[in-house]
Amino acid sequence: EAGVTQFPSHSVIEKGQTVTLRCDPISGHDNLYWYRRVMGKEIKFLLHFVKESKQDESGMPNNRFLAERTGGTYSTLKVQPAELEDSGVYFCASSRRGGAGTDTQYFGPGTRLTVL
Amino acid sequence: GENVEQHPSTLSVQEGDSAVIKCTYSDSASNYFPWYKQELGKGPQLIIDIRSNVGEKKDQRIAVTLNKTAKHFSLHITETQPEDSAVYFCAARYGQNFVFGPGTRLSVLP
Repeated sequence: EAGVTQFPSHSVIEKGQTVTLRCDPISGHDNLYWYRRVMGKEIKFLLHFVKESKQDESGMPNNRFLAERTGGTYSTLKVQPAELEDSGVYFCASSRRGGAGTDTQYFGPGTRLTVL
Repeated sequence: GENVEQHPSTLSVQEGDSAVIKCTYSDSASNYFPWYKQELGKGPQLIIDIRSNVGEKKDQRIAVTLNKTAKHFSLHITETQPEDSAVYFCAARYGQNFVFGPGTRLSVLP
């Protein structure tokens, strides 16, 4: 089966611009997660979708970040306007079942965002 | 909130030697602990996991141990090979989500 894919692999933008990251989860995976790794630190949770609904967005840093998953398939994460501290690697992961289950999360290759 | 610490941050071993990476977690309710390996240019890939009702799990050259009382879990890699060189992340399940450690960069020297 195809894995989780993310686009673009790299993005370099200037402060104040807008960037949209895309994640295509594994087909049939209802759960989709966004994470971010900044400056070699830990991978930090941003938010969790179950199908098209936001289950938990407690990790979203501020209202400059907007995530959507229309139709419960692919997801986008928009940063508007981007700030310098938004630079990092954004990972998407998907799994078949969450909640009380402990299904494996499959990660995409990540999008490296650089804000100048 | 939940916190996961991971040590060491970097580790260099000679090919054939063993490598051990240790993690501690703060939430005693955590019951699932996966380990991920991230190679250059790729996303983290699950290599082994352990649930709280088990103390040890082994898969060929890798093993994970869990001490629930001390809230410690460790990754053991034996007979290391150059292809084991990567960044390794531990994680602990917290509610419906995961908290990750900061990662360990393992270098296996030929």
